[in-house]
Amino acid sequence: GNSVTQMEGPVTLSEEAFLTINCTYTATGYPSLFWYVQYPGEGLQLLLKATKADDKGSNKGFEATYRKETTSFHLEKGSVQVSDSAVYFCALSDRGSTLGRLYFGRGTQLTVWP
Amino acid sequence: NAGVTQTPKFQVLKTGQSMTLQCAQDMNHEYMSWYRQDPGMGLRLIHYSVGAGITDQGEVPNGYNVSRSTTEDFPLRLLSAAPSQTSVYFCASSYSGLAFFGQGTRLTVV
Repeated sequence: GNSVTQMEGPVTLSEEAFLTINCTYTATGYPSLFWYVQYPGEGLQLLLKATKADDKGSNKGFEATYRKETTSFHLEKGSVQVSDSAVYFCALSDRGSTLGRLYFGRGTQLTVWP
Repeated sequence: NAGVTQTPKFQVLKTGQSMTLQCAQDMNHEYMSWYRQDPGMGLRLIHYSVGAGITDQGEVPNGYNVSRSTTEDFPLRLLSAAPSQTSVYFCASSYSGLAFFGQGTRLTVV
């Protein structure tokens, strides 16, 4: 079946520190991979995505590379800001389906201190 | 473009009461879903729909009911509220894994 495992939080960093949030997946087919972000009091929104092996998704300084050999999609940012404080969810969708079902990890809470 | 509209934002129920959480989308997506979010548990899928007239159960369907009479609307019904249903509920509309979420409903059952 499909599942996502991401590192447990919370993660606490100082401003300008380097961020890595690990995510690994199990999938029956060839999934698309996503990172969603949830800011306080809001719903989830797409941060970045990658649809095939070796693709790199990027947005707002965040990056993640689709690694088929290690079944991973780790989220990185070189210099975090206080405004990056949020919960980050790794997710996958069966690329063969257009229906849109997502399988989420449990989320990682990130807090950035000034 | 409103995206996904979810109402109400907050609700307090007494044990045993019933209510309906509303969800509407204007993107013509076939796939819609309801999740609940609890501390340390991430998002858990309650019910989902792949089109009008078609619904199915997710991971935690007990105590909830859904229907999908139109592409746009996907209401979630709590039949007899219990304290264990205290949670934040999110509706989502998606296509090929790209999901759009509502703002959430914070439900407290006392």
